[in-house]
Amino acid sequence: GAVVSQHPSWVICKSGTSVKIECRSLDFQATTMFWYRQFPKQSLMLMATSNEGSKATYEQGVEKDKFLINHASLTLSTLTVTSAHPEDSSFYICSVLGLAGESSYNEQFFGPGTRLTVL
Amino acid sequence: EDQVTQSPEALRLQEGESSSLNCSYTVSGLRGLFWYRQDPGKGPEFLFTLYSAGEEKEKERLKATLTKKESFLHITAPKPEDSATYLCAVRSGNDYKLSFGAGTTVTVRA
Repeated sequence: GAVVSQHPSWVICKSGTSVKIECRSLDFQATTMFWYRQFPKQSLMLMATSNEGSKATYEQGVEKDKFLINHASLTLSTLTVTSAHPEDSSFYICSVLGLAGESSYNEQFFGPGTRLTVL
Repeated sequence: EDQVTQSPEALRLQEGESSSLNCSYTVSGLRGLFWYRQDPGKGPEFLFTLYSAGEEKEKERLKATLTKKESFLHITAPKPEDSATYLCAVRSGNDYKLSFGAGTTVTVRA
């Protein structure tokens, strides 16, 4: 499977500031990446699909002007939370599509996540 | 809209006590059912993909099975290191998007 890293692993910021989270595919060229958000004791909610070289596709209810996604290369996608507020505090996780073992289908492999706390 | 329901919400087991987790799903054309393991504060770790009813896959103490309406994750003789939240997800479209269930948190006591 694909190896995925995220940076930073955690970040604390003041309300009103912007925060950038990086997602890197370390051993696989990822044309498609996904961004998820996970609140405490809840499951993963898909925020957007990030496609290399094109605009991201956002899920219903996710503000594209607040959560800016840039997928400028086959190994890097960034999520910028603009004008962050306390309600944006969450665990943000990215994933990449990759081949799993003998399977000819594409599975998603996840990064370790970024804990965002907005004061 | 795809629906994924996992039960139970939490499961406490004694070491060596085998059990099963359930994932019920409603999709229009299943293109894959996925099981992941998630440890606290970490991203999900891929376990299995199942594609058609009757399919089974195994990895160490874990075995996943699939029917037309549900999937089971069997944990045989669990150890404390099997403690985690197990997530089930389904894919139904051509866009590779996944819909996740809420997860089952398994705690295995020594």
